Amino acid sequence: GAVVSQHPSWVICKSGTSVKIECRSLDFQATTMFWYRQFPKQSLMLMATSNEGSKATYEQGVEKDKFLINHASLTLSTLTVTSAHPEDSSFYICSASGSEETYEQYFGPGTRLTVT
Amino acid sequence: AQSVTQPDIHITVSEGASLELRCNYSYGATPYLFWYVQSPGQGLQLLLKYFSGDTLVQGIKGFEAEFKRSQSSFNLRKPSVHWSDAAEYFCAVDGGYQKVTFGTGTKLQVIP
Repeated sequence: GAVVSQHPSWVICKSGTSVKIECRSLDFQATTMFWYRQFPKQSLMLMATSNEGSKATYEQGVEKDKFLINHASLTLSTLTVTSAHPEDSSFYICSASGSEETYEQYFGPGTRLTVT
Repeated sequence: AQSVTQPDIHITVSEGASLELRCNYSYGATPYLFWYVQSPGQGLQLLLKYFSGDTLVQGIKGFEAEFKRSQSSFNLRKPSVHWSDAAEYFCAVDGGYQKVTFGTGTKLQVIP
């Protein structure tokens, strides 16, 4: 149980375009979803936290207008990278939590974004 | 602010040998502690977690970790490493509200 999927698994886009990444909890309802960014050979950095039906909470230094997060349902959150630039190239990972009591996040397989 | 330090960037062990991956954290109180494993191109899989109680925690795949408050450490151990254990391991701390801070990771290489 507790499977989280991401789509696409990898994407290449041209500079200036936007790209949307989906994160789905397949077998549970995710009250909270998290978006992380992982640079090569580095750790995961939390970008934002989203709760279903409310606005996402962004971490300091993360541009909310560039990284649009929508958590429209209890099983789907999307991250849209707007006007992408090469420096946005990274590995984006989402996670989902069904309960604050368990303090456990289930991670998706990640999406590799390359901006040319 | 909470922080996590994994002092070993890369570790190589022989198959069948024991393993210990180090993790130190900084947090004002007792945090929730986690170890995750990430295989190439994959997401993270939870190995084990510590919330409270017994300071020796058993996880999946034969891993265990020991919480030592006096040393602010949460080291991961395995008595006998298998080639399939080669991956990157992340220690993480949750200081509340599921705001998780990850260490920089330790890449484990297993040689025959």
